[in-house]
Amino acid sequence: DADVTQTPRNRITKTGKRIMLECSQTKGHDRMYWYRQDPGLGLRLIYYSFDVKDINKGEISDGYSVSRQAQAKFSLSLESAIPNQTALYFCATSDLGAGQGSGYTFGSGTRLTVV
Amino acid sequence: AQSVTQLGSHVSVSEGALVLLRCNYSSSVPPYLFWYVQYPNQGLQLLLKYTTGATLVKGINGFEAEFKKSETSFHLTKPSAHMSDAAEYFCAVSDPGANSKLTFGKGITLSVRP
Repeated sequence: DADVTQTPRNRITKTGKRIMLECSQTKGHDRMYWYRQDPGLGLRLIYYSFDVKDINKGEISDGYSVSRQAQAKFSLSLESAIPNQTALYFCATSDLGAGQGSGYTFGSGTRLTVV
Repeated sequence: AQSVTQLGSHVSVSEGALVLLRCNYSSSVPPYLFWYVQYPNQGLQLLLKYTTGATLVKGINGFEAEFKKSETSFHLTKPSAHMSDAAEYFCAVSDPGANSKLTFGKGITLSVRP
């Protein structure tokens, strides 16, 4: 099994629908992150969590919410999906800061299309 | 705040040729610098990173990068490209703090011609 598992791998949804992307990890890391990837824009941070009781907004959090259900689980929700949220979404984990410890471990991504 | 600039969106080289992918950074504090690779339908994988110490950093798959403070650069090189190197490459930066997070560049796609 992968260290960081994202479900679903692909999803097509309609404008206005609520959708949840899930991330689970077996790394035992406290820190988890959600990024979105758009062509020509790289990866941008949506939300991050340093432990179960800690949730922080990233640079592009509008239109998104998250839930940290346990150390191993971090879900991203789109309350009312819109077409410009069509993107590839990545979950990542780390044990320490970005350049410390074992670094970031990424999931394989969820490709979301909003029609 | 930190940022990275990766000029261009696509580089094409012949198999066996030198690979050079450019990255320039902006940071108000000593940066940590990273190169990640993304193969099709996969997540990101760390190629190499610079934190402190030796400015020439060697990574996996024969890649290396040199931190040049005077030029604010961290260019990625490989002496001889293989077909398997075709992927998207991201430069990233963070500060050295305990709660630091990665900030990514826009990425660049490397194609390798037979």
